[in-house]
Amino acid sequence: DIQLTQSPSFLSASVGDRVTITCRASQGISSYLAWYQQEPGKAPKLLIYTASTLQSGVPSRFSGSGSGTEFTLTISSLQPEDFATYYCQQFKSFPFTFGPGTKVDIK
Amino acid sequence: QVQLQQSGPGLVKPSQTLSVTCAISGDSVSGNSAAWNWIRQSPSKGLEWLGRIYYRSKWSTDYAVSVKSRITINPDTSTNQFSLQLSSVTPEDTAVYYCARGIATTAFDYWGQGTLVTVSS
Repeated sequence: DIQLTQSPSFLSASVGDRVTITCRASQGISSYLAWYQQEPGKAPKLLIYTASTLQSGVPSRFSGSGSGTEFTLTISSLQPEDFATYYCQQFKSFPFTFGPGTKVDIK
Repeated sequence: QVQLQQSGPGLVKPSQTLSVTCAISGDSVSGNSAAWNWIRQSPSKGLEWLGRIYYRSKWSTDYAVSVKSRITINPDTSTNQFSLQLSSVTPEDTAVYYCARGIATTAFDYWGQGTLVTVSS
């Protein structure tokens, strides 16, 4: 199975901050990576797919980059509604696996 | 707009079979572009993809090895739904179960609301 690790696991930030989350894959996955946002008690919401394509309706302050084994999700200016947990997921091979998550909290 | 509505019991006894159904609106379970997935989430295992079903001239399924001997995903074209059955459950199968639409091999773009299933006697 392809293992995904995320760093940091927890992030404390303020409104307006630039935030970067890293996802690393245990082997190369080309650009078969997606990013999700999950609020407590809700289903994950798709933000980014194929590593850097913004899902329709997602604010442009979210961006993704990377390929191979290292990927980043950047929030250019953190908004109050962005405090949530973020997950990466790979689609390169079965089983599709998720990272352990990065919780973004209010400083 | 695609919507996925889940239903199923919240409590299952150990050794029994867990069943959750996902009703689709705004798309078709037998459409040629999507795959229909089951994912679960627990504090101990995080988000875990379980399997999927899709139609490309015929029905096909893919299952995670971790549950392959116990899982069945079936379509119901008459009601435009698909279902998850997980047999011989143990307390380790306690989780929130989600259905989700997968597009090609890019992402899960629509999710059900989640069903908390507790395995307990």
